[in-house]
This record gives sequence, structure tokens and C-alpha cells, in this order.
Amino acid sequence: AQTVTQSQPEMSVQEAETVTLSCTYDTSESDYYLFWYKQPPSRQMILVIRQEAYKQQNATENRFSVNFQKAAKSFSLKISDSQLGDAAMYFCAYGRGGGADGLTFGKGTHLIIQP
Amino acid sequence: SAVISQKPSRDICQRGTSLTIQCQVDSQVTMMFWYRQQPGQSLTLIATANQGSEATYESGFVIDKFPISRPNLTFSTLTVSNMSPEDSSIYLCSVDPRYNEQFFGPGTRLTVL
Repeated sequence: AQTVTQSQPEMSVQEAETVTLSCTYDTSESDYYLFWYKQPPSRQMILVIRQEAYKQQNATENRFSVNFQKAAKSFSLKISDSQLGDAAMYFCAYGRGGGADGLTFGKGTHLIIQP
Repeated sequence: SAVISQKPSRDICQRGTSLTIQCQVDSQVTMMFWYRQQPGQSLTLIATANQGSEATYESGFVIDKFPISRPNLTFSTLTVSNMSPEDSSIYLCSVDPRYNEQFFGPGTRLTVL
């Protein structure tokens, strides 16, 4: 079975600074995808960034980028120029390739932005 | 992406009763997924609903407790049956319209007294 581990229950960063959220996973599959979701207090799950396992290039979406280390099964999220609106729960998730399966989520990291 | 709506957005129910949650998508999708998020916890997959076939349940979830319907490619319902306070959670549906990219509905916050 796949597992996703987020070892940082809470992180705090100053506004405009950079923060990195950690995630490790375990799988025996070769075709899979990794995701970071943001859940603000409104509870809406928002897809932040997505990484295909077969791609060596790290995904980037504006201020959000990942460091995907496939051999180490590590998938960290870097948020640059942190903004107050980035404050939320961040969940790392794993999905098997094909789109027919649900996702496996980590326990989440609560990100606090200090003004 | 996909626009997903859920009804109700929240409800307070008495123990022993049942609640049916609706999930509507603005486009046809093959698979729909139902998740539970207990207070302060992460999301756990309940079941996968494929139109025209029985839903597939994850370990720890059974059809008698969480019956699911999938009558067409844009709609699904999840019923939480014979509720107890332990069923108090946020229930979310999601879809995967472009394969390997899931989008979530706004969730239904259920409180059982």
C-alpha cells in the first residue's frame, strides 16, 4: 500500500520569505503522480502543483515549485515570496497513474504566515 | 478543470438518522471519488464511483453504511446511514476529468448530535 508522510505538523514563515514543506512517500508503482493541495479555512481543496513521476524536471507554478527526488521518494514544496493568502493547511498526495484511483494523502502541514 | 457543487454545504443531524449528500459536476467524468475528513485530520478515501457499476469501497468502509449512487456521468450521491457522533466530518467529492489531476467539491460539513 502507498503511504505519504508529512513530518512537519506546523511551519511558520515571515511574509515575503521562502518556506519549504517536506513530503516523503512510499510506493512500488512506476507510474504515479504527486500533488500538493492547499486547504484554507474555507475547506475548499485547491490544487497547487502536480508532478508526473516519469518527468525529471521539477514542476513550477508561479511562486510554487517542487523538489522531486524520485530515488529518495521525496517531494517537497517551496513557496517563494510568501504572502498572507498562502496561510492554510497543505496536503501532499499520491495518485497511481491512470486516473481510476483515489488519492492517498499525508497528514498535512499547517502553514502560518507572519506579517 | 471542473466545477463541482455539493449539497448540502452543512447539516446538523440526530444520531440514528441518514443524510444523503449530492455531488454535481459541470462536465461528464468517468470516475467520481468520495472522501471523509474527520475534524483536524487529513482526507481518507471512502469509495470510487464509476457510472454503471457498483462503487468500490476502501478498507474500513462498507456499502451498508455509505451507500453510493452514480446514475449518470455528472452526478453522484453518498448517503451516511444510521449516523453516530463519530460520523461528524467533512465529506468531499472529487473528479479526475483529465486523468491524474483531481479537483474537489467544496465539501459538506456534517455534525451528528
